[in-house]
Amino acid sequence: DTGVSQNPRHKITKRGQNVTFRCDPISEHNRLYWYRQTLGQGPEFLTYFQNEAQLEKSRLLSDRFSAERPKGSFSTLEIQRTEQGDSAMYLCASSLGTGREQYFGPGTRLTVT
Amino acid sequence: GNSVTQMEGPVTLSEEAFLTINCTYTATGYPSLFWYVQYPGEGLQLLLKATKADDKGSNKGFEATYRKETTSFHLEKGSVQVSDSAVYFCALSESYGQNFVFGPGTRLSVLP
Repeated sequence: DTGVSQNPRHKITKRGQNVTFRCDPISEHNRLYWYRQTLGQGPEFLTYFQNEAQLEKSRLLSDRFSAERPKGSFSTLEIQRTEQGDSAMYLCASSLGTGREQYFGPGTRLTVT
Repeated sequence: GNSVTQMEGPVTLSEEAFLTINCTYTATGYPSLFWYVQYPGEGLQLLLKATKADDKGSNKGFEATYRKETTSFHLEKGSVQVSDSAVYFCALSESYGQNFVFGPGTRLSVLP
């Protein structure tokens, strides 16, 4: 068990470009969560999956954001037409279903210039 | 909606001092409560949790008691160490295992 991993750890992009982040959860975990954290704030929930099904999306997840978990294992979060306001740390977490705590990855720091 | 409020930081203490970080919450139901810690350059780690009223979570010398009457979950440690320097987040989950609502975090610096 190597924990939750995220790639890349850092991403710098120009406004208007598309970016994609990847999260690999702990292997036996069926739930996967995405959060966004800005400087000086706590993480804010974006969306979560149970296996390959996306069960809930936050109002923070605008139309420019899309997340997938095609085979119920790793997940990707794509941001289209990035804006400066998208600059943040994007966190992924996983858990072994209902009733278990979430384990967080180290995050991907996005900077939009 | 649900929310979590924490005392503002940064909090600076000398080694072996007593620590309290206040956390209060607003929830429509009966949430589970958590403290997470984020050390510099690392991801969030679960520090302790409590799933029902009057439960006390404890880990690594830290404690927090779920107080339903005051909607609070204050974090305490009797004697802090330099290695406890980190950002501490209070969080709640309406259904244990569902998405969390986090507080803004409190940065703790412990000086030798």
